[in-house]
Amino acid sequence: GQQLNQSPQSMFIQEGEDVSMNCTSSSIFNTWLWYKQDPGEGPVLLIALYKAGELTSNGRLTAQFGITRKDSFLNISASIPSDVGIYFCAGINAGNMLTFGGGTRLMVKP
Amino acid sequence: KAGVTQTPRYLIKTRGQQVTLSCSPISGHRSVSWYQQTPGQGLQFLFEYFSETQRNKGNFPGRFSGRQFSNSRSEMNVSTLELGDSALYLCASSSGTAIHEQYFGPGTRLTVT
Repeated sequence: GQQLNQSPQSMFIQEGEDVSMNCTSSSIFNTWLWYKQDPGEGPVLLIALYKAGELTSNGRLTAQFGITRKDSFLNISASIPSDVGIYFCAGINAGNMLTFGGGTRLMVKP
Repeated sequence: KAGVTQTPRYLIKTRGQQVTLSCSPISGHRSVSWYQQTPGQGLQFLFEYFSETQRNKGNFPGRFSGRQFSNSRSEMNVSTLELGDSALYLCASSSGTAIHEQYFGPGTRLTVT
């Protein structure tokens, strides 16, 4: 089946630093989604991307839909302690199937 | 607007038993999807229901089944539980006729002993 390769698997950064994570696939997706999951909770949708090349921001978060439609990245600027959690990318293909990346665990040191 | 709700939040079952989990989507949403999340396998798609019909299905054995009611509420059933079924089961709802911008519930933590 389709797979999304998400990297890095984990990051340990200093508060105030910028963060970048990405997802790549060998298959094309029509929609890219980025989620954040806190312990014991379900993932929360952060950003949705619908067109190749689209760049969308949500506060300190910025995500882009790759031109080839096979990749996406998420940037977090000026990280704060509450950014801690697991970030997931997800792609929706032409068959309406949603596939998740393996997640990036973000840890922020105050 | 209320979010996606799942009941129960926690459940402990014994091998061989069966279990039914419930999900109430966001009001107006007609699509409900179910996912299994484990540390080793990550988030894996189980199935999606739209207007009481299963529209998509993941690669899980037939012990995993679901249904959707006319009010869009959905249930997931797992029969003959195995230790490996221990996981966080997540339900997600979306509006419209295509899966996009799915909103997740808090999940049901199932432990099989």
